[in-house]
Amino acid sequence: KAGVTQTPRYLIKTRGQQVTLSCSPISGHRSVSWYQQTPGQGLQFLFEYFSETQRNKGNFPGRFSGRQFSNSRSEMNVSTLELGDSALYLCASSSAGEGTGELFFGEGSRLTVL
Amino acid sequence: GENVEQHPSTLSVQEGDSAVIKCTYSDSASNYFPWYKQELGKRPQLIIDIRSNVGEKKDQRIAVTLNKTAKHFSLHITETQPEDSAVYFCAAIEGYSTLTFGKGTMLLVSP
Repeated sequence: KAGVTQTPRYLIKTRGQQVTLSCSPISGHRSVSWYQQTPGQGLQFLFEYFSETQRNKGNFPGRFSGRQFSNSRSEMNVSTLELGDSALYLCASSSAGEGTGELFFGEGSRLTVL
Repeated sequence: GENVEQHPSTLSVQEGDSAVIKCTYSDSASNYFPWYKQELGKRPQLIIDIRSNVGEKKDQRIAVTLNKTAKHFSLHITETQPEDSAVYFCAAIEGYSTLTFGKGTMLLVSP
């Protein structure tokens, strides 16, 4: 079974631009979560989607958005990029519809904002 | 929302020693507590988890204990090896599938 796949793996943007990151979950997994990882803050929750619906959202500004498609693939978008958005963005999928299921992480998309 | 505190932030041990990492959580409704290991440049991977109806769980050299009353849980690694060197994250579940993570512990095991 293929793992969680994230694209692109690395990208460089400049301030003010926008970026879209993609995540393909493990086949059969309907829950997809996004986390931002930075050296100082660890793993911070962005949002979670289940069956195309956003089920939970973290404490991030509205510049961060996401969506999930009918095939469970998910995208997240960051608009008007700021230097502080430089981070590793991790996607994780889970099979458990009601929670308490293991999260399987992708390799991440490393975003650098110049 | 949930808040998870993790200590220490760094831990250096000699090969063969034991290592203990401690976490506290704030939401008494949390009922699932996983531990993830992240090696340098790699994705976080689940190494052990515990549910709120269990006080302790072991898997070979690693064990996790949970004290619901005090709202804290700990990871214990015995007979540490250099390949145990990594960043370890504790987490507590919030809602359906949202994990709130501690800030991580960098474990360094010296040969």
